[in-house]
Amino acid sequence: AQTVTQSQPEMSVQEAETVTLSCTYDTSESDYYLFWYKQPPSRQMILVIRQEAYKQQNATENRFSVNFQKAAKSFSLKISDSQLGDAAMYFCAYKPQAGTALIFGKGTTLSVSS
Amino acid sequence: DVKVTQSSRYLVKRTGEKVFLECVQDMDHENMFWYRQDPGLGLRLIYFSYDVKMKEKGDIPEGYSVSREKKERFSLILESASTNQTSMYLCASSWGGYSNQPQHFGDGTRLSIL
Repeated sequence: AQTVTQSQPEMSVQEAETVTLSCTYDTSESDYYLFWYKQPPSRQMILVIRQEAYKQQNATENRFSVNFQKAAKSFSLKISDSQLGDAAMYFCAYKPQAGTALIFGKGTTLSVSS
Repeated sequence: DVKVTQSSRYLVKRTGEKVFLECVQDMDHENMFWYRQDPGLGLRLIYFSYDVKMKEKGDIPEGYSVSREKKERFSLILESASTNQTSMYLCASSWGGYSNQPQHFGDGTRLSIL
């Protein structure tokens, strides 16, 4: 069965600094999708970034980028120029290409200080 | 923008009651999902539906059932509520087929069973 592991339950960063959140996954499939979701306190979970496994190029969305290492089954999220509004719980998720449901990690709580 | 609406943000019920959690999406999505979110456990899939009247068990279906009579609405039912079902419940929807389309989430329902 596929699993997703986020080894950092909590992380902290100062405003304007860069932080990297780790995610590893276990799968025997070659085609799949990976996602990072953000859940601010008491607010809706929203998509941050997504990556297709067949694409070698790392996805980027403004200050958010990923380091996708397919052979190592690693999918880390880098947040550059951190802002107070980045404080949230971040979830890494895996979706098989031929599947419907997401498999989530347990989440990393990111705090941002000024 | 996709809107996923959950009928209640907060709900308090008593042990043994039958509880209904409602979710409506406005994007004609084929897939709908119910997750349970608990601290330290991340999101765990309870049930999902890929079409009207169709459903699939997720990882933790025990004690729950679902109903999807219309495409836009997906209900989660706690047949006889118990205190261990106190949790945050998240509904999500997505396009069908094998795709990288993300899931869109509602605001969540924080359910307390007394």
